[in-house]
Amino acid sequence: SQQGEEDPQALSIQEGENATMNCSYKTSINNLQWYRQNSGRGLVHLILIRSNEREKHSGRLRVTLDTSKKSSSLLITASRAADTASYFCATEGDSGYSTLTFGKGTMLLVSP
Amino acid sequence: NAGVTQTPKFQVLKTGQSMTLQCAQDMNHEYMSWYRQDPGMGLRLIHYSVGAGITDQGEVPNGYNVSRSTTEDFPLRLLSAAPSQTSVYFCASSRQGGGDGYTFGSGTRLTVV
Repeated sequence: SQQGEEDPQALSIQEGENATMNCSYKTSINNLQWYRQNSGRGLVHLILIRSNEREKHSGRLRVTLDTSKKSSSLLITASRAADTASYFCATEGDSGYSTLTFGKGTMLLVSP
Repeated sequence: NAGVTQTPKFQVLKTGQSMTLQCAQDMNHEYMSWYRQDPGMGLRLIHYSVGAGITDQGEVPNGYNVSRSTTEDFPLRLLSAAPSQTSVYFCASSRQGGGDGYTFGSGTRLTVV
């Protein structure tokens, strides 16, 4: 079953605005990862945050993790048209072998 | 570095046919996985492997077989294709511990008619 649920399902903004996507999950995790998928392409790893971390930055990306609420958020600052894509959160469980469980994704449209 | 290479990119099968989706990685990653992506469903795990000779089932394994005889290759076999297996299939790999995240292939778009 799906572990993560992204919110919103779709987001439409103008270039220069910030985009925030949220992810909730159900079970204990080792880490949470965010991926981007451009239409018709494979997924690209963006950022990983471990369960003992609360916030992480990478370029224009900021990820937060609240393990007490089992939730995470991805903030993209100063969005560009090239950021248009689907964004997925994925969790890696803490029970041994490394597999990822994905949410259904947020479709982000950034208009020029 | 080629990363994760999947072949073919597109395939049309008739119901009942069998085929093998190929996946190869050149990063010496221990972990490899197969996912399928359907509209509105996100990615669902089919099978995974934590090393050569070791495989296990994911969330939706029925109708698929895997084997891992080498670190580099992780083929996915459809035994008797069904229309419900129409999907986009992604192979992914990561190193043990997964600290760098997973590397995904570009996908195989399969249609079963």
